[in-house]
Formats: sequence, C-alpha cells, structure tokens
Amino acid sequence: QQQVKQSPQSLIVQKGGISIINCAYENTAFDYFPWYQQFPGKGPALLIAIRPDVSEKKEGRFTISFNKSAKQFSLHIMDSQPGDSATYFCAAIGNSGNTPLVFGKGTRLSVIA
Amino acid sequence: EAGVAQSPRYKIIEKRQSVAFWCNPISGHATLYWYQQILGQGPKLLIQFQNNGVVDDSQLPKDRFSAERLKGVDSTLKIQPAKLEDSAVYLCASSRVMSYNEQFFGPGTRLTVL
Repeated sequence: QQQVKQSPQSLIVQKGGISIINCAYENTAFDYFPWYQQFPGKGPALLIAIRPDVSEKKEGRFTISFNKSAKQFSLHIMDSQPGDSATYFCAAIGNSGNTPLVFGKGTRLSVIA
Repeated sequence: EAGVAQSPRYKIIEKRQSVAFWCNPISGHATLYWYQQILGQGPKLLIQFQNNGVVDDSQLPKDRFSAERLKGVDSTLKIQPAKLEDSAVYLCASSRVMSYNEQFFGPGTRLTVL
C-alpha cells in the first residue's frame, strides 16, 4: 500500500524555469513532511521539511506548499539549475516521529540548459 | 563530521548465496536504520535500531534477512539465501534520536542477484 503518492515520475525543465513536484497522502497521522534530494550513487539528503501547521515554507530557491484539507503538498524549485538535476522524494512521518518515514516513489528531474 | 559509512559499495552474487552489508553510523547517533531501495522506488524501511535494541522490524523478511547492532554502534545486515527480487540498493541511515531528527543516509550498497 503506497501511503504517499508522488507525481510526476520524471520532469524536464529549462534552466531558469520552475520545477513543481506534487505529493498526496491519506494517513492523517502524518505530521511531518520532508523532501529528500538524491544524486546518482549517493544516499538521499534532506532538502527541506514542513509541518502541517503552516501552509508554506521557503528556503532559498526551494519552497514547500502544504494544503492540509486536501492532504497534498508540493515542492517548487525556482530558477532551476542544471545542478538541481537529481531524484526528489517526498516523505511523511507521523505520531510524533514514532512511525517509520514513508517515501514517495520519486521524481527524476532533469534541468536542461 | 564524518558521514554514514557503508561497505561494500557494490556486490554481485548468485541467487541462494548469502551476503552481508556493514554500516558505521555518524558518531553519537543512537538510532540506526536500514532501508531497501528498489530501482525506481523510494527507500523502504527494513529495520530500525535504538542503540542496540530493535525498535521496528515489521517490514524485514525475517525468513531470509537478519540484522544486528551488537554494541550500539556498527550494524550488519545479512541476506541468506538471496533471491532475484533482493536486487536493490541497501541504504543505512542514522539520527541522533528517534522522532523527527534528520536522518543522514550513507551512499548505499548496490546488490545485484543473478
């Protein structure tokens, strides 16, 4: 059972454009939503995270938008750069962190010049 | 601060053989996780340790997989016997404590079962 649904599976964006990746969840016990970035041959690395008590969090060029009522959240990468080319995973964890981190299937982003 | 270390980085074995992976977490991190990442999917938790005790192994196929963290530091994950569907990247991660603390991932071990 896939608890976090992520789309699209792959994404190609022009340099300088906006990359948008969407995720949806069903389990209302989830209360912390991190995004991970993974480069080939490396483990995932935390990029940015949000709690459902805020609707948006921004760190540099990366922004998470959160819609609690729709149980959806998204990652926006502004001014996308070739160095952003990687696989991005949304994830969720709940019950004060006492349930396992659950990942989406990932989005492979390619930023082309 | 040194990251999570894993070895070997790559392993190719025949089905029904056994294999072991090693993980050294970040110094001082009490919680250690093993994940399985099948190609094209997100990591899936196999087992979680808090110090040397198992917190969650509900998704570990216990008929063939085993893991230990005897002294609360290093950990090994073993598969015996391996099946074709075990081909994946095995990721180790660690965090200071449980809860929302950031999990730091190692580079993983890519296992190919022929």
